[in-house]
Amino acid sequence: ETGVTQTPRHLVMGMTNKKSLKCEQHLGHNAMYWYKQSAKKPLELMFVYNFKEQTENNSVPSRFSPECPNSSHLFLHLHTLQPEDSALYLCASSQDWPGAFIQYFGAGTRLSVL
Amino acid sequence: AQSVAQPEDQVNVAEGNPLTVKCTYSVSGNPYLFWYVQYPNRGLQFLLKYITGDNLVKGSYGFEAEFNKSQTSFHLKKPSALVSDSALYFCAVRDMSAGNNRKLIWGLGTSLAVNP
Repeated sequence: ETGVTQTPRHLVMGMTNKKSLKCEQHLGHNAMYWYKQSAKKPLELMFVYNFKEQTENNSVPSRFSPECPNSSHLFLHLHTLQPEDSALYLCASSQDWPGAFIQYFGAGTRLSVL
Repeated sequence: AQSVAQPEDQVNVAEGNPLTVKCTYSVSGNPYLFWYVQYPNRGLQFLLKYITGDNLVKGSYGFEAEFNKSQTSFHLKKPSALVSDSALYFCAVRDMSAGNNRKLIWGLGTSLAVNP
């Protein structure tokens, strides 16, 4: 148990559905991250939040919409996804100092878009 | 450009033998280097880091890594492999370009298989 909880663990959705992924960290960290992990590709950073403020958006399509209501919770809202969006979505958190920027990951949400 | 390379897609080792998973990096300035492990259907788990100090860093589960500045390498090692060490291993370096100080640059991962 890393202190970062993601729900749901698995999600199957159609291309016209709307769903949300949830992440909660119990570590008191200031930063939270969304990553996309696809087979045979580098881990893709999607969004970074620091104390609820978005600090990075890596040219992510608008069908992915993040929300960070407080420094412990992070959501990823999904709508009109494409089959190529099927992947493992990972949430992480970190503490700048003295955390040395070590990122702690949740178990991920396995997303399948049909 | 800043980058991380893990030259081996897969490493196979017999249980009880020493293991090495290789990582080289390219980054401006002094690197912050990390190793993570991912077991099937799980997220990534932090193993160890190098920021400053001794070149040999010890981490979780008996793993260690050696920082070599001249070779820009940060290879992960373990003296005696266990079958339970079989997993995907990722090397990462902190992005040192301005405004990206929380971003990590990730290698593609190396699949380690430890055979009984």
